[in-house]
Amino acid sequence: GAGVSQTPSNKVTEKGKYVELRCDPISGHTALYWYRQSLGQGPEFLIYFQGTGAADDSGLPNDRFFAVRPEGSVSTLKIQRTERGDSAVYLCASSLSSGNGNEQFFGPGTRLTVL
Amino acid sequence: AQSVTQLGSHVSVSEGALVLLRCNYSSSVPPYLFWYVQYPNQGLQLLLKYTSAATLVKGINGFEAEFKKSETSFHLTKPSAHMSDAAEYFCAVSVNTGGFKTIFGAGTRLFVKA
Repeated sequence: GAGVSQTPSNKVTEKGKYVELRCDPISGHTALYWYRQSLGQGPEFLIYFQGTGAADDSGLPNDRFFAVRPEGSVSTLKIQRTERGDSAVYLCASSLSSGNGNEQFFGPGTRLTVL
Repeated sequence: AQSVTQLGSHVSVSEGALVLLRCNYSSSVPPYLFWYVQYPNQGLQLLLKYTSAATLVKGINGFEAEFKKSETSFHLTKPSAHMSDAAEYFCAVSVNTGGFKTIFGAGTRLFVKA
C-alpha cells in the first residue's frame, strides 16, 4: 500500500515568508509525528498528534511554528516569518497508534531552504 | 529527560567484517529503543526495536541489537558486512512520560569497503 507522502519535496523561500508543508500519513494510522533534520544530525522531534489533537508539541522551537491535523489524517506544518536557521529537512511519520512500541513509518521529507 | 548518544559519527568496515555501531541511552524510566536506517535519498526505515521482551533483538537484513540495562547500551551488530549495508544508522529512545516523544541520536554513517 501507499506509504507516508510529503509535499512539496523541495521548497525554497525567502527570509520572512510563510510556508506550509503537507504530510499524508498511511491510511488508518492515528498517530502522526513531525521531525526536523539538520545536516549531519538525527531527526529532532517537533510535535506529535493522536487523532486530531496535538498530544505533545514540546519540540516546536518557537511560536512561528504551528501544525494542524483537522480531520485526523492529513497534517500541515506551518512556519511563519521564516528564518535562515529554519533550513532543514522536515520529516513526517505515522504509526498505527501512539503506543511506544509502535513502528513509525517515515515519509521522504521536505527539504526547506530559506534564502 | 531521555537522551541518546551514538559513539562515532563514521564507521568504516571491510566487506565481510563485523559491524558494530554503538548506542548509549539515558532514561529515568524503562525505555523503548529503536534502530533506524536511512539509505541515500530514502526515508528512515525501522531495523529493529526493543520493547521490554527479549533483550537480544533480531531485525531485518541480518542485524541484531542487545539491550544491556547495566551498561545503558543498545549496540547494533551484524556478523558480516555487505556493500548494501552502507547507509546512515540512527538509534532512538522513546518513553512514556505522558507524551510519546522519540529522541534520535545524531547518527552513524557506515562505510563498507570492498
